[in-house]
Amino acid sequence: KQEVTQIPAALSVPEGENLVLNCSFTDSAIYNLQWFRQDPGKGLTSLLLIQSSQREQTSGRLNASLDKSSGRSTLYIAASQPGDSATYLCAVKANFGNEKLTFGTGTRLTIIP
Amino acid sequence: NAGVTQTPKFQVLKTGQSMTLQCAQDMNHNSMYWYRQDPGMGLRLIYYSASEGTTDKGEVPNGYNVSRLNKREFSLRLESAAPSQTSVYFCASRRELADTQYFGPGTRLTVL
Repeated sequence: KQEVTQIPAALSVPEGENLVLNCSFTDSAIYNLQWFRQDPGKGLTSLLLIQSSQREQTSGRLNASLDKSSGRSTLYIAASQPGDSATYLCAVKANFGNEKLTFGTGTRLTIIP
Repeated sequence: NAGVTQTPKFQVLKTGQSMTLQCAQDMNHNSMYWYRQDPGMGLRLIYYSASEGTTDKGEVPNGYNVSRLNKREFSLRLESAAPSQTSVYFCASRRELADTQYFGPGTRLTVL
């Protein structure tokens, strides 16, 4: 059974710093991995999606990497801003046609002005 | 373009009461989903609908029923609510052949 872990559960960093969020998964046979952002009281917003054949994806100040063999993904946020404060979740999909996403419990990120 | 909308935003029920959570999307997506989010646990899939007229069980379907009323709307019904169903419920939709799911703002349900 796939398990997705995100450590730490919470992280506080000063504004302007670069930071890395971690996601690990137990079964390396994945189809893709997604990173989501969740603001308090809101739904999830997809940030980046990495297919199993890819090593990384970039969008603006965000860069997500994937190492299937080690069961790890990282989300790198450059030059953090207070508006980046949110909970970040990762989710893996087992295979094409499988509707189930297995989610981690998230890292709550606080950027200190 | 409102995306995915959910009603109500908040609801308090007593054990044994029934209710229906409503979800609608205006993006012409084929697939729709219902998840629940509990503290300390990742989102878990309750039911999904790959297209109008079809529904399938997800990871935690017990105690729930769903209806795909049309392409836009996907409802989740609790026939006899239990305290274990206290949770935040999210609806999501996805375009065919795409991987990204679009989520609604959620319904916070408390069962006393």
